[in-house]
Amino acid sequence: GENVEQHPSTLSVQEGDSAVIKCTYSDSASNYFPWYKQELGKRPQLIIDIRSNVGEKKDQRIAVTLNKTAKHFSLHITETQPEDSAVYFCAANYRSGNTPLVFGKGTRLSVIA
Amino acid sequence: EPEVTQTPSHQVTQMGQEVILRCVPISNHLYFYWYRQILGQKVEFLVSFYNNEISEKSEIFDDQFSVERPDGSNFTLKIRSTKLEDSAMYFCASKWTGGGEKLFFGSGTQLSVL
Repeated sequence: GENVEQHPSTLSVQEGDSAVIKCTYSDSASNYFPWYKQELGKRPQLIIDIRSNVGEKKDQRIAVTLNKTAKHFSLHITETQPEDSAVYFCAANYRSGNTPLVFGKGTRLSVIA
Repeated sequence: EPEVTQTPSHQVTQMGQEVILRCVPISNHLYFYWYRQILGQKVEFLVSFYNNEISEKSEIFDDQFSVERPDGSNFTLKIRSTKLEDSAMYFCASKWTGGGEKLFFGSGTQLSVL
């Protein structure tokens, strides 16, 4: 089955700097890659996703890139703000049917004001 | 935005007791899931449910676990005889179609087994 590795486990950045979180996946059949943000004690919330027919997707200050050949994808947050502080999870699955998402272990991002 | 709702938000139980965690998925969704998250760890898949039957389950979802959709709105997770290691946050999730459509998570039930 799918296995998702995520790095780093913790990341501290100064407010205004960029943050990059990287994930690799094992199943070449996977073609859907969402990113979730989880604030302390709250539910995971989808912030951006990408499908395998696209190499990059951007939504304001966040962007995701996908390298299918290398089987890795990354989350980029620019101009970080204190409210970006949270745990970020990457995930992967393949679109056919009801295959569950497999999550990475998460990255705790701290944005220091 | 529509939400998945879960009750209770917190559940404390004694080891060996049965617990039922309740979820109301978004009304037009067809695929339902239970995930759990042990404190500080990643979100782990337990079971998926579609068309009134289990689609897939993980190794965690052993004979002590069961799921049910007793009516058109509720989706429940039952743990028959809780163990200490069942203590975790349990998230219900749902989505409209199979595959890569957005997965909506509930706010979770924090289960503490003493």
